[in-house]
Amino acid sequence: EAQVTQNPRYLITVTGKKLTVTCSQNMNHEYMSWYRQDPGLGLRQIYYSMNVEVTDKGDVPEGYKVSRKEKRNFPLILESPSPNQTSLYFCASRGGRRELFFGEGSRLTVL
Amino acid sequence: AQSVSQHNHHVILSEAASLELGCNYSYGGTVNLFWYVQYPGQHLQLLLKYFSGDPLVKGIKGFEAEFIKSKFSFNLRKPSVQWSDTAEYFCAVNAFGYGQNFVFGPGTRLSVLP
Repeated sequence: EAQVTQNPRYLITVTGKKLTVTCSQNMNHEYMSWYRQDPGLGLRQIYYSMNVEVTDKGDVPEGYKVSRKEKRNFPLILESPSPNQTSLYFCASRGGRRELFFGEGSRLTVL
Repeated sequence: AQSVSQHNHHVILSEAASLELGCNYSYGGTVNLFWYVQYPGQHLQLLLKYFSGDPLVKGIKGFEAEFIKSKFSFNLRKPSVQWSDTAEYFCAVNAFGYGQNFVFGPGTRLSVLP
């Protein structure tokens, strides 16, 4: 089954404690992206990757890092999380059909 | 820069009422347009998409959307809503010349009363 898998789905952490949210897709898509969803703001792009070792900033990259060492994986790294990064995060991938496929979401709370 | 606006923050309808959700975008060139739906507690799923051709596109679950280039609009419609259509709806634009960047609208929450 074609899917985008994110882990963890739910996480509560404390300010400053590094964390990684993993994202994996099994559709051989070249393009992958991270979004955060906040009430009233819709989805805002954090980072995206056009292919392995190619990443670029989206609209709200501050406080986040990404890496793309393999085509299927695109982890999101919060080196020093802060409360304003409390949000719902979605990973997505895109292939030749030009639509985005989304993961189930990861709800992060930073205390 | 691209931007997407959605006319309504929250729409409340009774079952069998007709639905129209507005979406406008700011980019003047060639665009790909999408409507996504997010059911409570779930991820975003594609409802329908427009790339080119017939400006009236049909999607899943009886939804359709009309692209009006002169108005920079891509409004979503459904003739008769059901309680199960309760969800949040997002319009998204991917503009040529902006690479792979999708821009999403703020979303419209639809509540359908039984």
